Amino acid sequence: AQSVTQLDSQVPVFEEAPVELRCNYSSSVSVYLFWYVQYPNQGLQLLLKYLSGSTLVESINGFEAEFNKSQTSFHLRKPSVHISDTAEYFCAVISRSNYQLIWGAGTKLIIKP
Amino acid sequence: DVKVTQSSRYLVKRTGEKVFLECVQDMDHENMFWYRQDPGLGLRLIYFSYDVKMKEKGDIPEGYSVSREKKERFSLILESASTNQTSMYLCASSSPTGMNTEAFFGQGTRLTVV
Repeated sequence: AQSVTQLDSQVPVFEEAPVELRCNYSSSVSVYLFWYVQYPNQGLQLLLKYLSGSTLVESINGFEAEFNKSQTSFHLRKPSVHISDTAEYFCAVISRSNYQLIWGAGTKLIIKP
Repeated sequence: DVKVTQSSRYLVKRTGEKVFLECVQDMDHENMFWYRQDPGLGLRLIYFSYDVKMKEKGDIPEGYSVSREKKERFSLILESASTNQTSMYLCASSSPTGMNTEAFFGQGTRLTVV
């Protein structure tokens, strides 16, 4: 069975500091990988995705994630966070065999001024 | 822009009431989903649908039912609302084709059952 693990339920970080949100998955088949962001009192929106090709993918607001097949990870990073990055971040995978969508439990990014 | 619209942002209902949550998408997506989101539990799938009049149970279907009479609309029904169904409800849609399987979400409905 497939699963997604986000090891940290909350990550506090000072403004302008770097951050890494961790995501590991388990799957016996190839997957597509996603990071979604949920700002306060809103629905989820896609932040970035890995489908194929370059293992490093970037979002328009400075986040990046790297697909590591050997470690089955897809960690999300940003070199310098801003107060507007305060949100909950969800990692998700879709199996390429049955297109079932599996979610991590989410990580709250808390920016300290 | 892809749009998934949920009929209400906030709802307050009484215990025992029948509650309808409506979701409409405008991208002709085959797949539609209902999730509930609770602190510390992430997203939990209630029901999903891959086609009109087709439905599949997710991880937590008890106490809920769904209806999909038209491709663009997916309704979640709480047959007899209970206080433990107080939650944020999120609707999503997606296309099943390989390169576009990302899910698009509505703004969510925060339901309070009193």
